[in-house]
Amino acid sequence: AQKITQTQPGMFVQEKEAVTLDCTYDTSDPSYGLFWYKQPSSGEMIFLIYQGSYDQQNATEGRYSLNFQKARKSANLVISASQLGDSAMYFCAMREGDQGAQKLVFGQGTRLTINP
Amino acid sequence: DAGVIQSPRHEVTEMGQEVTLRCKPISGHDYLFWYRQTMMRGLELLIYFNNNVPIDDSGMPEDRFSAKMPNASFSTLKIQPSEPRDSAVYFCASSLNYRDPYTFGSGTRLTVV
Repeated sequence: AQKITQTQPGMFVQEKEAVTLDCTYDTSDPSYGLFWYKQPSSGEMIFLIYQGSYDQQNATEGRYSLNFQKARKSANLVISASQLGDSAMYFCAMREGDQGAQKLVFGQGTRLTINP
Repeated sequence: DAGVIQSPRHEVTEMGQEVTLRCKPISGHDYLFWYRQTMMRGLELLIYFNNNVPIDDSGMPEDRFSAKMPNASFSTLKIQPSEPRDSAVYFCASSLNYRDPYTFGSGTRLTVV
């Protein structure tokens, strides 16, 4: 079974609009962490935001926020006021377990295109 | 900090040749990871190290792949012999501890012809 599912292969959004990128996950471990990365066309992987399973509040980092719905096992990334530079691949990833567990499992990604 | 440094950035080699990819993690990071990215399979974890010790190599495709970390500041991923299906972008990443995000290198784009 897929650990991380990103159901949107591609999304097209007008500049300055908000955009939500979907991510659902599958785990039976009560302790886990969820991450979002951005991969622009240049290829590097850029960390955006982190949400821990025990965190009480949804994570926010500047224009990025994470809509964390634990019961639904979803961790959607919200980008407010989108910019042309936001065009990229976006990956959701999960790390299960406590200190001994380090494997980060990635979803297949969503390609976001911001139109002027 | 210079970040995670990978070399070479691009590598083109002929089938059957040995390929060695190199990685220098961020100083002080205890964990080092090797990932492979392809269109078909996405990002796959190949192997990771904690304090220079290999912890999980279950993602290494086959015996042709090997990885070493002789010290805290250097790791190699070797493919011998290389095959066209090994063509991919290989990323090295490091992290400080289990809660910290990974910092990725710029990747090595490997083409085996």
